[in-house]
Amino acid sequence: KNQVEQSPQSLIILEGKNCTLQCNYTVSPFSNLRWYKQDTGRGPVSLTIMTFSENTKSNGRYTATLDADTKQSSLHITASQLSDSASYICVVSGGGSARQLTFGSGTQLTVLP
Amino acid sequence: NAGVMQNPRHLVRRRGQEARLRCSPMKGHSHVYWYRQLPEEGLKFMVYLQKENIIDESGMPKERFSAEFPKEGPSILRIQQVVRGDSAAYFCASSPSETGGYGYTFGSGTRLTVV
Repeated sequence: KNQVEQSPQSLIILEGKNCTLQCNYTVSPFSNLRWYKQDTGRGPVSLTIMTFSENTKSNGRYTATLDADTKQSSLHITASQLSDSASYICVVSGGGSARQLTFGSGTQLTVLP
Repeated sequence: NAGVMQNPRHLVRRRGQEARLRCSPMKGHSHVYWYRQLPEEGLKFMVYLQKENIIDESGMPKERFSAEFPKEGPSILRIQQVVRGDSAAYFCASSPSETGGYGYTFGSGTRLTVV
């Protein structure tokens, strides 16, 4: 059964601090791994997409890593801002279609002033 | 470009009533996917439609749920005789093609509450 597990479930940090979110997956076949940011009451918005051959990808203050051998990914957020407060969702794709996505349940990040 | 539009944003229904959720895809997108998000859980695929066709409904409950994407107008997710367990956030995403996996965009969702 395809599964995506994220940790921690929730995280509280102070503004300006860094944090790292974890994602473990058991999805086969594997096409790509995505990290999404979902603000409260909004739909998920893509942050990064990584294929099998990519180990790291950055998008501003967000840096995602992928270890396809251990089936683990992380999302590192540097110099956090209040607007980073959101749920961060790891999504693994088994193919090119949006119906082949397996979603994690997310890490709820709260950034405090 | 207004993005993927879903309405209503919030919907309250009494048990036994019908719920109709609408999704207007991005301009130029003819592929629509519906997902359901239960509290504390990840999004789960429900159904994939192209204009006038249901391509994959493997994630849809067998009873009470139906979806359509007519030639004109938005895609509709219809839930008949709603029960408390139907309370969830329902998201749709659209893409320009099925394999446009890098190009799909999510709407803001409809939050259904069954009382």
